[in-house]
Amino acid sequence: EDKVVQSPLSLVVHEGDTVTLNCSYEVTNFRSLLWYKQEKKAPTFLFMLTSSGIEKKSGRLSSILDKKELFSILNITATQTGDSAIYLCAGYITGANSKLTFGKGITLSVRP
Amino acid sequence: DTGVSQDPRHKITKRGQNVTFRCDPISEHNRLYWYRQTLGQGPEFLTYFQNEAQLEKSRLLSDRFSAERPKGSFSTLEIQRTEQGDSAMYLCASSPPIGGTEAFFGQGTRLTVV
Repeated sequence: EDKVVQSPLSLVVHEGDTVTLNCSYEVTNFRSLLWYKQEKKAPTFLFMLTSSGIEKKSGRLSSILDKKELFSILNITATQTGDSAIYLCAGYITGANSKLTFGKGITLSVRP
Repeated sequence: DTGVSQDPRHKITKRGQNVTFRCDPISEHNRLYWYRQTLGQGPEFLTYFQNEAQLEKSRLLSDRFSAERPKGSFSTLEIQRTEQGDSAMYLCASSPPIGGTEAFFGQGTRLTVV
């Protein structure tokens, strides 16, 4: 059965800290790994990673995928209170029955 | 707004009643997904449509749940004889045809069964 595990499940940091969020996966017919940010409502898309070793960056956020070790990390530098959210990663399987399989999410709290 | 639209945003219902939710995907997105999310959990896959065909249903989807996408555009998710355990956020997502795998989510329908 497809499985996505995120760690830690929750994290409290102070503004300005750097955080690393982890995601490991066991997904058959793997195609890509996606990161989402969820505040009070729907998840919003952050990154899609398909190839190993290629870092994707968006402002203070960056992410990378290791397809050999089956994990991904999401880094946030110089954290701000607005980064407080649940961060979800999901494995996307290809084929006729494509779907995203999500981890439980990491709750990040950034304190002033 | 050209994003994924879900209706209603909130629904409170008495146990035993039937409820129906609607999802309008992004135009030209042929793939549509339903997920359920409870507090402290990531979204759990319920079902998936490619155009009007329902290609996969999760074991989570009991006989009380049914989903349709009759013309390959909007979709409905119906829950019959609701139970308190059905209380959750129901999320709909859509993604474009092969070549794009990002799924874009709607704002969700929060169901409370009392």
